[in-house]
Amino acid sequence: IAGITQAPTSQILAAGRRMTLRCTQDMRHNAMYWYRQDLGLGLRLIHYSNTAGTTGKGEVPDGYSVSRANTDDFPLTLASAVPSQTSVYFCASSAGRGSYNEQFFGPGTRLTVL
Amino acid sequence: AQTVTQSQPEMSVQEAETVTLSCTYDTSESDYYLFWYKQPPSRQMILVIRQEAYKQQNATENRFSVNFQKAAKSFSLKISDSQLGDAAMYFCAYRRGPASGTYKYIFGTGTRLKVLA
Repeated sequence: IAGITQAPTSQILAAGRRMTLRCTQDMRHNAMYWYRQDLGLGLRLIHYSNTAGTTGKGEVPDGYSVSRANTDDFPLTLASAVPSQTSVYFCASSAGRGSYNEQFFGPGTRLTVL
Repeated sequence: AQTVTQSQPEMSVQEAETVTLSCTYDTSESDYYLFWYKQPPSRQMILVIRQEAYKQQNATENRFSVNFQKAAKSFSLKISDSQLGDAAMYFCAYRRGPASGTYKYIFGTGTRLKVLA
């Protein structure tokens, strides 16, 4: 593994189903993030984690939950998917503190909820 | 709350010409970071350039440079000698400084750049 991996790459899901999007990073970054990207709206933060064991709500958290049991993994769960959650989802990480504060992004998951 | 605004949904530039993408932001902080990310059709987000607010000098990376106007809260990206491979969606992003204790990034809505051959 190099950088950030996301799974699945794409998924079609029936409304009402539960879905977990997986995200793993191997850079030992403290902070991790989940965004959704929708046309004309840019990237909107769903949830974030400053360090393992802590999580926080972003701009659009409703309908999503996250956990951060360890440094490397940050799964995003849709408890009961709805069509408005159709989007491209990006996981990202950053070192947190330090002078190089860029975010590194995974390849994204395209989710379609029917 | 901080906001980032990209007022140009789409821009076009002729190959080999120069183009400037606009970004403005709103913050009451004095210490923060600004970024430009590129998203080509592959969907992968790629860092183009970063700027620390406390640095007066504008950042440059090869053909990419910024015009950072702190008082005006403006952070535009200039692409010189545009190439076909520069065609992508460009996102401006803001992050508060380390003293804030938060590592959240705020993104603009993006500017789609088309490069004409």
